[in-house]
Amino acid sequence: EAQVTQNPRYLITVTGKKLTVTCSQNMNHEYMSWYRQDPGLGLRQIYYSMNVEVTDKGDVPEGYKVSRKEKRNFPLILESPSPNQTSLYFCASSAGRPTEAFFGQGTRLTVV
Amino acid sequence: SQQGEEDPQALSIQEGENATMNCSYKTSINNLQWYRQNSGRGLVHLILIRSNEREKHSGRLRVTLDTSKKSSSLLITASRAADTASYFCATDPRSSASKIIFGSGTRLSIRP
Repeated sequence: EAQVTQNPRYLITVTGKKLTVTCSQNMNHEYMSWYRQDPGLGLRQIYYSMNVEVTDKGDVPEGYKVSRKEKRNFPLILESPSPNQTSLYFCASSAGRPTEAFFGQGTRLTVV
Repeated sequence: SQQGEEDPQALSIQEGENATMNCSYKTSINNLQWYRQNSGRGLVHLILIRSNEREKHSGRLRVTLDTSKKSSSLLITASRAADTASYFCATDPRSSASKIIFGSGTRLSIRP
């Protein structure tokens, strides 16, 4: 089954404690991206990757890091989380130039 | 600033009625997509319309695109309770290397 898998689904953490949200896709897609969703703001792109070892900033990259060492995985790293990063995060993948995107189920992050 | 903005922000209709949602965007695009999101879950792709297309159908969905007005509409005919969700348009701007930009969505509620 074609899918994008994010883990964990829910996470509560404290300010400053480094965390990683994993994302994996099984469709051999080249393009992957991370979004955060906040009430009234829709989805905002954090980072995207067009292929292995190729990443670029989206609209709200501050406070986040990503890596793309393998085609299937695109982890999101928060080196020092802050309460304003409390949000619902989605990973998505698509084949090449933005076409139909497949989304993970989301990670609800709370930073206290 | 957001590329795509949906209108209305919220819509409540009776089951069986048609629902129309609109999306306006600011810059030239390669294509426009519509996604559905059930409460707090990942987005699901509904339909993609390319900039050289004016109308597209998929089941009970009808999407139109007017590039001169920089707008699109999504029509859901004969609505069902299961159509209750948020609907987002997503644009692929020509000015961007590889980005999808989402609007803030329309919340659709279907009353039984």
